[in-house]
Amino acid sequence: EPEVTQTPSHQVTQMGQEVILRCVPISNHLYFYWYRQILGQKVEFLVSFYNNEISEKSEIFDDQFSVERPDGSNFTLKIRSTKLEDSAMYFCASNPRQNTEAFFGQGTRLTVV
Amino acid sequence: AQTVTQSQPEMSVQEAETVTLSCTYDTSESDYYLFWYKQPPSRQMILVIRQEAYKQQNATENRFSVNFQKAAKSFSLKISDSQLGDAAMYFCAYRTYGYTNAGKSTFGDGTTLTVKP
Repeated sequence: EPEVTQTPSHQVTQMGQEVILRCVPISNHLYFYWYRQILGQKVEFLVSFYNNEISEKSEIFDDQFSVERPDGSNFTLKIRSTKLEDSAMYFCASNPRQNTEAFFGQGTRLTVV
Repeated sequence: AQTVTQSQPEMSVQEAETVTLSCTYDTSESDYYLFWYKQPPSRQMILVIRQEAYKQQNATENRFSVNFQKAAKSFSLKISDSQLGDAAMYFCAYRTYGYTNAGKSTFGDGTTLTVKP
């Protein structure tokens, strides 16, 4: 069964460093998302992406964040200068059509030290 | 903006018994989706069940069923014949229909379910 794949599963980075989280959505999917879950808290929407551009973003998704679909298969989330409060689980999701449920990846645990 | 409320931070159930997890939501939209996700200690998000708002019939998936009350904006999850493997955090989620954009999901705070042997 096709699945959304995220790498790495766990990343540790120094505060102030840039980090790129990678996702490979399911191949025929057209809509892509990033969500964040700080430990012990709810899952929060960060950004949606369609047709090579951001469709919607939350107030969390400030200038430190960017997304890219560089090669038609990968979907990346970049955090330019990480802060301690960026430590969280980051989930990538995708769906094939506009009005279907999103399929989630297994998540990348980001730890900023 | 939509909000999702799960009023039970923790629930416990005896193995083989039935438990109901509550969820209410607030929206002005008429078309949307509702989901229950299971998050085990691995923190992966696993879809348990989905409900389209336009469908009056409650969704059922094996031991999992929902009680969807659209007018009351209530969406509870019933787990029958609870098993030890059902122990996890359960999130209720609301998803916009995405007429003009890609849509997004809004999650509740979660309910931690413990299953006692």
